[in-house]
Amino acid sequence: AQRVTQPEKLLSVFKGAPVELKCNYSYSGSPELFWYVQYSRQRLQLLLRHISRESIKGFTADLNKGETSFHLKKPFAQEEDSAMYYCALLTGANNLFFGTGTRLTVIP
Amino acid sequence: GAVVSQHPSRVICKSGTSVKIECRSLDFQATTMFWYRQFPKQSLMLMATSNEGSKATYEQGVEKDKFLINHASLTLSTLTVTSAHPEDSSFYICSARDPRASNEQFFGPGTRLTVL
Repeated sequence: AQRVTQPEKLLSVFKGAPVELKCNYSYSGSPELFWYVQYSRQRLQLLLRHISRESIKGFTADLNKGETSFHLKKPFAQEEDSAMYYCALLTGANNLFFGTGTRLTVIP
Repeated sequence: GAVVSQHPSRVICKSGTSVKIECRSLDFQATTMFWYRQFPKQSLMLMATSNEGSKATYEQGVEKDKFLINHASLTLSTLTVTSAHPEDSSFYICSARDPRASNEQFFGPGTRLTVL
């Protein structure tokens, strides 16, 4: 069975500080991982996926198979980054399995 | 990106009644849609996968007779909560897979169901 763990429910950082949202996974197959973001009063939307290896809104995430992690990082947090962030794993059935989410608050 | 709508956004009903929630892909055809349930301050839990023209695939623990899913067209899936009870009160979210976008899932805004 798969598992996605986001250990921090809440995370607060000051504007301009680096931010890292942790995600660890457990999956027997070849993992495909995603980060989704939900801004206040908006719908869930894809932020980035590991296979793209791209930076979106300054965020990056590297899949570390040895540590089974897919942490989301940004060197300088902005106020507009305040949101709910979900790590998700694509299962063999082509379904998304979500972590419990981390609420990021960037303090001005 | 692709747009997915849900209707209604909020619904309040009496215990024992049935409620239908619609999920539409507005600018693309979706052979596969998904229904999630989200409890307060918790994650999204996949309830079922809705396949156009065939029966839905339900996740373990989800009662298919309780949560009826119909995907009669390539742009519409419906979730009917039958004989609703207060414990069915939740936030229901649908998503649709867009084949034009590497099968990325696009999410609807969600429907808040309150059963009195």
